[in-house]
Amino acid sequence: DTAVSQTPKYLVTQMGNDKSIKCEQNLGHDTMYWYKQDSKKFLKIMFSYNNKELIINETVPNRFSPKSPDKAHLNLHINSLELGDSAVYFCASSTEPVGRRSYEQYFGPGTRLTVT
Amino acid sequence: AQKITQTQPGMFVQEKEAVTLDCTYDTSDPSYGLFWYKQPSSGEMIFLIYQGSYDQQNATEGRYSLNFQKARKSANLVISASQLGDSAMYFCAMTPEFSSNTGKLIFGQGTTLQVKP
Repeated sequence: DTAVSQTPKYLVTQMGNDKSIKCEQNLGHDTMYWYKQDSKKFLKIMFSYNNKELIINETVPNRFSPKSPDKAHLNLHINSLELGDSAVYFCASSTEPVGRRSYEQYFGPGTRLTVT
Repeated sequence: AQKITQTQPGMFVQEKEAVTLDCTYDTSDPSYGLFWYKQPSSGEMIFLIYQGSYDQQNATEGRYSLNFQKARKSANLVISASQLGDSAMYFCAMTPEFSSNTGKLIFGQGTTLQVKP
C-alpha cells in the first residue's frame, strides 16, 4: 500500500502548455505539501494545505495553483509552463504538531517535470 | 529567517565504519523540530530521524543517531556501521513547531555520502 502517491512520475511537455500533477495520501493526515527540487537538488516548499485550506504559499508564481478537493488529495496545476519550471515536484503529508512535537512528513515518489 | 547549512557537499566512508554528516541551523524560534531525510539515487525521500528542540536526549533510530548541540545550533547525523545501501544524498531540515504555518520544512543543501566496499 502506497502511503503517498503521485501521478504521473514523469511529465515531458512544451513551453506554454498547462499540466497537472495529482497527489493522494492514504495515511489519514490533515496536512499536505508541495515541494520543488531543482537541478541542484535544493528542496523548497511551495504550498501547504491543512484540511483543504491553504496555509502556506511561498511566493510561488500564480501560474501554479494547488487544489485540494478533500484532505486526502492535493493536486498541482501549472499554467503556461516555462523552461524554469523543469524540476522534480514532491508531494508530502503529515499530521499536525502535538504539544512540542512536530511529526515527520511522508513524501511521495516525486514527479519529474521536463519543459522543452 | 530560518536557515539550514550543510557544509559537506560530498563524503566518503569505508563500509562498516561510522560517519558524521554536519548540519547547523539558524532560527529565532523558541522551539523547533530537526529532521534528517535520505534520498537515494532512485529519488524518493525517506525520513530517518527527528529531534525536538526541547528533547533532553539525543534521538536514536537504529544505526542513526542525532548529535544535537543546542547552544551551538548543530544537529549532526551519525551513521554507525555504514552499509553500501547508505550511499545516498542526506538532507537536514527544520520546522518551527509553533508557527502558524505549521509543518513547513526548510532544507539544507544536502550531503552526498558514498560508502566504499
